[in-house]
Amino acid sequence: DAKTTQPPSMDCAEGRAANLPCNHSTISGNEYVYWYRQIHSQGPQYIIHGLKNNETNEMASLIITEDRKSSTLILPHATLRDTAVYYCIGHSGNTPLVFGKGTRLSVIA
Amino acid sequence: EAGVVQSPRYKIIEKKQPVAFWCNPISGHNTLYWYLQNLGQGPELLIRYENEEAVDDSQLPKDRFSAERLKGVDSTLKIQPAELGDSAVYLCASSPLGTSNGELFFGEGSRLTVL
Repeated sequence: DAKTTQPPSMDCAEGRAANLPCNHSTISGNEYVYWYRQIHSQGPQYIIHGLKNNETNEMASLIITEDRKSSTLILPHATLRDTAVYYCIGHSGNTPLVFGKGTRLSVIA
Repeated sequence: EAGVVQSPRYKIIEKKQPVAFWCNPISGHNTLYWYLQNLGQGPELLIRYENEEAVDDSQLPKDRFSAERLKGVDSTLKIQPAELGDSAVYLCASSPLGTSNGELFFGEGSRLTVL
């Protein structure tokens, strides 16, 4: 699975968009980009995934650069409940998800 | 739909004692995972089951850790004897479509403290 690089922490004002970056310059052509988040004292929760095209669901949007070397997870209107650790994971095939340390997002009132 | 259920949520034991964690995956999910999460780190895979078969247990410390999923449904992870370094959160996850699908459903975890 592709190794990803994320900033260790970020802050975001409540009600503003939270843009979480992820570098995955070694991602291969068949590897998807997955995002999970983990709220304190809970298990990780799947958010979204994509291969080449931008994706949107009820939780977030995923923007993947054309060269697929980086992506951005966008939470359009961050709330205090979005405070969590966000994991960006490159994944394909028959191997399990490999989590890094993620980005700790703090949403501030 | 019920999520992945784990028990106990918290367990405190003294070193050298045994401990067991139980996981009931989402109904119909054939793939089950046990992950270990140390403080400030991301989850790390211990073992993966496809139905009742352990298909990836390369990261499981087999001298003291064991796991089973006898009927291909719920699973138990055991540590005997526990060491101080085993203090961590033990997460169970399940998936309906095998490892090629990266969408896993996690339980809340079992937090182990070894004194």
